[in-house]
Amino acid sequence: DQQVKQNSPSLSVQEGRISILNCDYTNSMFDYFLWYKKYPAEGPTFLISISSIKDKNEDGRFTVFLNKSAKHLSLHIVPSQPGDSAVYFCAASDSSSGSARQLTFGSGTQLTVLP
Amino acid sequence: EPEVTQTPSHQVTQMGQEVILRCVPISNHLYFYWYRQILGQKVEFLVSFYNNEISEKSEIFDDQFSVERPDGSNFTLKIRSTKLEDSAMYFCASRGGWNEQFFGPGTRLTVL
Repeated sequence: DQQVKQNSPSLSVQEGRISILNCDYTNSMFDYFLWYKKYPAEGPTFLISISSIKDKNEDGRFTVFLNKSAKHLSLHIVPSQPGDSAVYFCAASDSSSGSARQLTFGSGTQLTVLP
Repeated sequence: EPEVTQTPSHQVTQMGQEVILRCVPISNHLYFYWYRQILGQKVEFLVSFYNNEISEKSEIFDDQFSVERPDGSNFTLKIRSTKLEDSAMYFCASRGGWNEQFFGPGTRLTVL
């Protein structure tokens, strides 16, 4: 079951540059998408989200883009900082589960920001 | 800033024993969840809880699992008879009126 896919297990970026993390999904019922950051031995920390009625959402250094026709979303981090080094998870939910809206996660991308 | 808390941080148990994992969700949240992550695998949904009852559960959440909100603040996950394959990180999450779920730090369950 690969409804949410993150095809790049790792990404290295120089400090100050842009980090672009990608996510693809197959379930057309998904209508809400979230990005989480996770450090070792901690729980996922919510970063930013986007509803399917939008194609872009921005919060400080983080921007999420949604391309519904391609079933693709991406997280841009500008400028990247060493403290951004973590595993980034893409997650999605849909209303078919009623109000519960459980999340389906991707496998994560390890981002390393090099000083 | 309010946060989800979980206890214990690490639980070691023998196969066949019962374990109870505890969570205190964010106080004004209405929806509560358990997820797990087996080492090297994805975070997987187990169960959601709303209005004092299970609202959704995955195939993983079989009769060995149960959840309870015993006192209006704690939210617990019980595994009746643990198996080796139950070894994982278990994350509790809660959600208010919006769609963002907030996760606790997790409990690492090791079944020997």
